[in-house]
Amino acid sequence: EPEVTQTPSHQVTQMGQEVILRCVPISNHLYFYWYRQILGQKVEFLVSFYNNEISEKSEIFDDQFSVERPDGSNFTLKIRSTKLEDSAMYFCASSEDYTDTQYFGPGTRLTVL
Amino acid sequence: DQQVKQNSPSLSVQEGRISILNCDYTNSMFDYFLWYKKYPAEGPTFLISISSIKDKNEDGRFTVFLNKSAKHLSLHIVPSQPGDSAVYFCAASAPHNAGNMLTFGGGTRLMVKP
Repeated sequence: EPEVTQTPSHQVTQMGQEVILRCVPISNHLYFYWYRQILGQKVEFLVSFYNNEISEKSEIFDDQFSVERPDGSNFTLKIRSTKLEDSAMYFCASSEDYTDTQYFGPGTRLTVL
Repeated sequence: DQQVKQNSPSLSVQEGRISILNCDYTNSMFDYFLWYKKYPAEGPTFLISISSIKDKNEDGRFTVFLNKSAKHLSLHIVPSQPGDSAVYFCAASAPHNAGNMLTFGGGTRLMVKP
């Protein structure tokens, strides 16, 4: 069964450093998403992406964040200058169509020291 | 932001019995609802969904009920199995808005005892 994959599973970084989280969505999916879950809190939407453009972004997704689909398979989330409060699980998701179910990857645990 | 709420943080059920997980929402624009199951250190796994044009959707042991007037949905698991022990999230979306973002509840931890 096709699945969303994410690398790395755990990323530790120093405050102020840039990190890139990588995702490989399900191959025939066209819509891509990033969510995050801070420990003990809800899963929160960050951004959705379609046709090489951001469709929607939340208040969390400020200028420190960017997304990119650098090739036909990867979808990345970049945090330019990490803050302590960026520590969270980051989940990538994809869906085949606009209204279809979103399937999630296993997540990347980001720890900012 | 409490647009989607799961008021029970945990639920304990005996194996073979019914598990009922509840979810309430406030945004009347939501028209698509999903339940996800999550194990520790894994991503949310899709279980079942329901569109606002229906009031029930069934898939094997899982049934989701939607009461639009009460802005309430529930997930029934019958019979419950120990492998069902996980955190269950309800989520809602309003696909007519751009982006199809999901709004999640806080989750309910289900423990099924053998």
